[in-house]
Order: sequence, then C-alpha cells, then structure tokens
Amino acid sequence: AAGVIQSPRHLIKEKRETATLKCYPISRHDTVYWYQQGPGQDPQFLISFYEKMQSDKGSIPDRFSAQQFSDYHSELNMSSLELGDSALYFCASSLVTDTQYFGPGTRLTVL
Amino acid sequence: KQEVTQIPAALSVPEGENLVLNCSFTDSAIYNLQWFRQDPGKGLTSLLLIQSSQREQTSGRLNASLDKSSGRSTLYIAASQPGDSATYLCAIPTSGTYKYIFGTGTRLKVLA
Repeated sequence: AAGVIQSPRHLIKEKRETATLKCYPISRHDTVYWYQQGPGQDPQFLISFYEKMQSDKGSIPDRFSAQQFSDYHSELNMSSLELGDSALYFCASSLVTDTQYFGPGTRLTVL
Repeated sequence: KQEVTQIPAALSVPEGENLVLNCSFTDSAIYNLQWFRQDPGKGLTSLLLIQSSQREQTSGRLNASLDKSSGRSTLYIAASQPGDSATYLCAIPTSGTYKYIFGTGTRLKVLA
C-alpha cells in the first residue's frame, strides 16, 4: 500500500515569500498531523486535522495556516517566510487513535 | 505535560557491541510508544511500536521494552553494525488528539 506522500520534497524560497506544502495521507486515514524539525532538533508538533476539522494546535506561527480538504489531503501554507522557518516538515496520517505513519518530509530552505 | 528525554545524547561504539538506548517519560498514562530511526537530513523510519498493554516488541536485532510504572522504554540493539549509525528517537502520543511528543534523540555512531 502506498505510504504518506509529501510534495514537494525540496523547496527553496526567499525571505518574505510564501510556500505551500502538501500532504497526501494513506488511503482511508482520517487524521493528519504536521511537524517541524529544525536543524539538530527533534520534531515539534504544529497542527492536526481530524475529518477535515482542526483537532489540535501546537506552536505554529500565525504566519502559517493549514487545512484538510474533502479528499483528506492537507496543505500547510507559510507566508512571510523567515530564515528560521528553514526546516524539515513532516506530515503523518493515522486512523483516529491508531499508529501515525510519517511521510518522507519536505525540506524547506529560506534564503 | 508529557516530557520525553533520551539518554545518552550521543554514543560511539565499535562494531559488534550490544547497545542500550534509553527513553524516559514523565506521564505514565501513555497509549503507546514508538521508536524511530533518522539518518542525517532524512525522514523518520519507524522501527518498533509498543502498545501500552505490551512489555516488549522485537524486530530482527532490535528489541524494545516498556515499563510504564517507571516511565521508561529501552531500545536494545544486538551486534551493532556501521549501518546502524543514525539518530534514534522515541515518541509518545498525547492523550486526546494523539499528537506525538518526541524525545531528544540519541545520535549513534558504530565504528567499523
């Protein structure tokens, strides 16, 4: 079975630009989680969605927004990018309370 | 609030040694605990998942144990190989929305 798909895998942006990261969960999974991993750090939870509704929110900057669409894919929108936003962004999907399956990540570099 | 720490932060061993990596958590009311491997700049590879009702899980040379009462999990790697060099992370889902809290990681280097 196909795993979690994230696109793009790599993204380079300039400061103050906007970026959109996409996540396609495993088929029939209804929950999506987003995590941010800065250089040398452990992954930190950003936001999650269950059945297209936001279910939890972590330390996500106001410049970031996300949503889950009717086909359960999710997008993380990041505006006014800062150098400190450079990180690996992971998406994970699950069936409600079941195990989370992680995607390969999107590496965002802000110049 | 759940806090997850891992000891040691870094470990360098010669090939062939048996290793023990530790993960400690402050809230013992956990749903499950998952161990991951991460190569530099790469994604998370799931190694083992232990449900709260289980005491251990095994996969090949890897064995993970869970002691909820003492707030600890241990990842045992038998006969280590240079290919085992990576960062190992434990993660615990929180109650409610099950977002993962990750440990601080153990950076392992196995020398040939």
